[in-house]
Amino acid sequence: EPEVTQTPSHQVTQMGQEVILRCVPISNHLYFYWYRQILGQKVEFLVSFYNNEISEKSEIFDDQFSVERPDGSNFTLKIRSTKLEDSAMYFCASMLTFLGGTQYFGPGTRLLVL
Amino acid sequence: QKEVEQNSGPLSVPEGAIASLNCTYSDRGSQSFFWYRQYSGKSPELIMSIYSNGDKEDGRFTAQLNKASQYVSLLIRDSQPSDSATYLCAVVFSGGYNKLIFGAGTRLAVHP
Repeated sequence: EPEVTQTPSHQVTQMGQEVILRCVPISNHLYFYWYRQILGQKVEFLVSFYNNEISEKSEIFDDQFSVERPDGSNFTLKIRSTKLEDSAMYFCASMLTFLGGTQYFGPGTRLLVL
Repeated sequence: QKEVEQNSGPLSVPEGAIASLNCTYSDRGSQSFFWYRQYSGKSPELIMSIYSNGDKEDGRFTAQLNKASQYVSLLIRDSQPSDSATYLCAVVFSGGYNKLIFGAGTRLAVHP
């Protein structure tokens, strides 16, 4: 069964460093999402992406964040200058259709900012 | 403010019993509702989706939706210890691009 994959599974970085989180969505899916979950808190929406552009972003997704689909398979989230409060699990999700579509989540990247 | 509310639990049920998980949401125009299961340290795993009022059954799971009351529930029949996890209710609110708004989750503990 096709699944969403994410790399790396864990990343430790120093405050102020740039990180890139990578996702490979399910191959025929068209809609892509990033969510994050701070330890012990809700899963929160960050950004949605369709047709090579951002369709919606949350207040969390400020100028330090960017997303890109550099080729036909990868979908990346970049954090330019990490802060301590960026420490969280980051989940990528993909969806085939817009109306009534279901989002399938990748296994996540655990980011720890020291 | 668009919100999804769940009791945090833990909800403790004996093996073989029915577990009932509840969720309310604030946006009357919402059309899509999902239940995800999340084991500790893992990603959300889809259990059920429901879009119309009434019941939807899939194996041991039944989702129930009442849009007038802005209420969605999940019943797990014949609960097993492997069902012990956090169950997340997620709603697609009207006017967005299918972003999921999650509740905080209900922790379910099934004891032998």
